[in-house]
Amino acid sequence: EVQLVESGGAVVQPGGSLRLACAISGFTFDDYTVHWVRQAPGKGLEWVSLLSRDGVTTYYAESVKGRFTISRDNTKNSLYLQMNSLRTEDTALYYCVKDSESRYGVLDYWGQGTLVTVSS
Amino acid sequence: DIHMTQSPSSLSASVGDRVTITCRASQSIRRYLNWYQQKPGKAPSLLIYAASSLEVGVPSRFSGGGSGTDFTLTISSLQPEDFATYYCQQAFTTPMSTFGQGTKVEIK
Repeated sequence: EVQLVESGGAVVQPGGSLRLACAISGFTFDDYTVHWVRQAPGKGLEWVSLLSRDGVTTYYAESVKGRFTISRDNTKNSLYLQMNSLRTEDTALYYCVKDSESRYGVLDYWGQGTLVTVSS
Repeated sequence: DIHMTQSPSSLSASVGDRVTITCRASQSIRRYLNWYQQKPGKAPSLLIYAASSLEVGVPSRFSGGGSGTDFTLTISSLQPEDFATYYCQQAFTTPMSTFGQGTKVEIK
């Protein structure tokens, strides 16, 4: 069974930092691109970042570029999101998401999310 | 950037109704359009990919259509478990993508 379990969400002050983690099981982690997608309270979905299978290629939404860093440890089947210079608008539920790879742009498995609240 | 606009933003319908949701892209995305369902308190789940291909395990009452800039998601006979929010996602600019703002389907 494919599972993605996020952790690390917390309440943090504006300007602060936080590191999210996603533990992955049920598939061969280093065969797949993985993403972070977020959802502000009561709002829609916003794609945040992705990391290629080999951990070399990264992409970021303009809203987080230069502040967030995505990384992975294939030996630990884990995905990470280092978030710096946090803003109130970064408050959201952050989902770890698996890319289908075989179907163009399809996000086929999602974790349950971890909540990040940026507030003073 | 490609902007995705869904309509309506919300709708009220009864069990058994036929429901259609529209998603419009700001430029042609060919057929690189996926649909997701999100129930309250849950993560989104994939319904349809490549505009009209049904994900394994998704009931056949769901169907998708369209190409270019205009797409539809249709539920042929609304069931109680279908009350949820639906999102379209353009995958034309993969690996980056954008979502529509969502359509909430509520019970009339």
